[in-house]
Amino acid sequence: DSGVTQTPKHLITATGQRVTLRCSPRSGDLSVYWYQQSLDQGLQFLIQYYNGEERAKGNILERFSAQQFPDLHSELNLSSLELGDSALYFCASSSAGGRGTDTQYFGPGTRLTVL
Amino acid sequence: AQSVTQLGSHVSVSEGALVLLRCNYSSSVPPYLFWYVQYPNQGLQLLLKYTSAATLVKGINGFEAEFKKSETSFHLTKPSAHMSDAAEYFCAVSQRGTSYGKLTFGQGTILTVHP
Repeated sequence: DSGVTQTPKHLITATGQRVTLRCSPRSGDLSVYWYQQSLDQGLQFLIQYYNGEERAKGNILERFSAQQFPDLHSELNLSSLELGDSALYFCASSSAGGRGTDTQYFGPGTRLTVL
Repeated sequence: AQSVTQLGSHVSVSEGALVLLRCNYSSSVPPYLFWYVQYPNQGLQLLLKYTSAATLVKGINGFEAEFKKSETSFHLTKPSAHMSDAAEYFCAVSQRGTSYGKLTFGQGTILTVHP
């Protein structure tokens, strides 16, 4: 158990809908990262927050947005869902501001299925 | 831009045999390097990381990896495979000298261990 929690574990929804994925980092960790894992794209970095502020952005679609709240939990919002958004979404956390040497601890993921 | 190439999407070994999983990186500056393992239906777990100390890095579960700058490689090895090593392994890099720690992953290598 990494100490990172993600809810829900599974999510099944229809095209065009909007969903919210939630992540609670390890106690004391200030950075939260979101990754998408799909069969065709592999594991891709989406976005990073550090202590409530956006720190880095990757291949995140405009239909997707994220935020980190004062209690440090984070939410990833996916809207106007398409079939291709079906994937496993991981959250990771690290203790510091995202130095390249930081160990990222991964949650168990949320499996999103868009029908 | 950084990239990671894992040679061999599937590797199969016998129990007790040497495990060798290959990883090559492309980066203008030697990056920080990581190996993660993913067991079925679980998140990623860090095996080991190279952050410019010793070039031979020892990790958990008997795994080790050697950073070779001249070959831009960071191959993962284990002298004797165990059935419990069956999983998917990911090599990842993060950029040196930045204020963020996003990881760029390879495509993954599925390790199968035969009795």
